[in-house]
Amino acid sequence: QKEVEQDPGPLSVPEGAIVSLNCTYSNSAFQYFMWYRQYSRKGPELLMYTYSSGNKEDGRFTAQVDKSSKYISLFIRDSQPSDSATYLCAMSAGNYGQNFVFGPGTRLSVLP
Amino acid sequence: DAGVIQSPRHEVTEMGQEVTLRCKPISGHNSLFWYRQTMMRGLELLIYFNNNVPIDDSGMPEDRFSAKMPNASFSTLKIQPSEPRDSAVYFCASSLRKGLNQETQYFGPGTRLLVL
Repeated sequence: QKEVEQDPGPLSVPEGAIVSLNCTYSNSAFQYFMWYRQYSRKGPELLMYTYSSGNKEDGRFTAQVDKSSKYISLFIRDSQPSDSATYLCAMSAGNYGQNFVFGPGTRLSVLP
Repeated sequence: DAGVIQSPRHEVTEMGQEVTLRCKPISGHNSLFWYRQTMMRGLELLIYFNNNVPIDDSGMPEDRFSAKMPNASFSTLKIQPSEPRDSAVYFCASSLRKGLNQETQYFGPGTRLLVL
């Protein structure tokens, strides 16, 4: 079993749809959870950052962490064609970046 | 701010040749990370430095890979000799670590390496 699992997609949705992206993990020591967006031929850029369990909202994006289920989600409301990218979850136990693990990424296409 | 700068952006070389990838982190950041990304394995952490000192190089695949950070504004990742299986996109990222707080990493645009 991989340490972090993520459905690779591709996921295609119509413009305006609500998108749900998910990751599961096996290491209960993870405390920091991040979502990165990576456009084609670009480096990943940080979208959301959360610590421990709970929800965090930033504009059209909401990140949820359920540590009891070892499950994290990213919701995108009113999706736009510009949201088309690969979304990578990442997580860490802390400690100076040690054990910083990325999921394989989900490729999202938002169709106009 | 210019962000993380990597060079070259593209590199094509022949098997057995030495390859050197370069990274300039964001000014003021004290941590630097080298990653490799492939379709098969996704994004893998190779090595990271804190205050120019290598902290964890357990992700470096083998002795053919080496990384240095001679000062706070420059790092290199060297592959010698290169092999076709080293073909990948290599990313450098930097961050500012404050105490025990987990830092946010900012990625460069990557170097696309093709070893023939």
